[in-house]
Amino acid sequence: QQQVRQSPQSLTVWEGETAILNCSYENSAFDYFPWYQQFPGEGPALLISILSVSDKKEDGRFTIFFNKREKKLSLHIADSQPGDSATYFCAARAYQGGRALIFGTGTTVSVSP
Amino acid sequence: GPKVLQIPSHQIIDMGQMVTLNCDPVSNHLYFYWYKQILGQQMEFLVNFYNGKVMEKSKLFKDQFSVERPDGSYFTLKIQPTALEDSAVYFCASSLLGVSQNTLYFGAGTRLSVL
Repeated sequence: QQQVRQSPQSLTVWEGETAILNCSYENSAFDYFPWYQQFPGEGPALLISILSVSDKKEDGRFTIFFNKREKKLSLHIADSQPGDSATYFCAARAYQGGRALIFGTGTTVSVSP
Repeated sequence: GPKVLQIPSHQIIDMGQMVTLNCDPVSNHLYFYWYKQILGQQMEFLVNFYNGKVMEKSKLFKDQFSVERPDGSYFTLKIQPTALEDSAVYFCASSLLGVSQNTLYFGAGTRLSVL
């Protein structure tokens, strides 16, 4: 049973466009949603995160939109750059201390110059 | 930022052998994790560890798997015996606290090839 789902599996955008990555979840106990960026041969690194009490979080060109009622969120990458080409993982974690961070299936983004 | 080191970066072993993957977590972190990733795809949770104990484990954490932090420094994942399906990249992570919004920092992974 997949608790965190992502779509699309892969995405290609032109440099300067906005890339939109989607994520949905099932567990109502999840209250923290980080997005991780992973380059080939490296471990994932935290990009941006949001708590369930917020509906939007912005950090530079990266914005998370969160809809708690529908259990959906999305990551928008504005003015995409070739250096943004990577795999992006949506993840979720429950409020109970020490619980596992559950990753989604990932979206591979390719930005063409 | 904080660094998690994993040694070695690649390990090749024969099926049935024992393997130990080593992780040097961020120095003041208290919570430790292992994840498994196949072919650059989904990061699958294996286990988390705090205060010398396994706190939570997934169904992927088979009986052949064990974790410990024997000397208070390296956090290890041992697989004994190994199976072909254990071939994957194993990522170690650590966090300072266990609260939900505390950031997990990941190492670069150890690629395990079981022949």
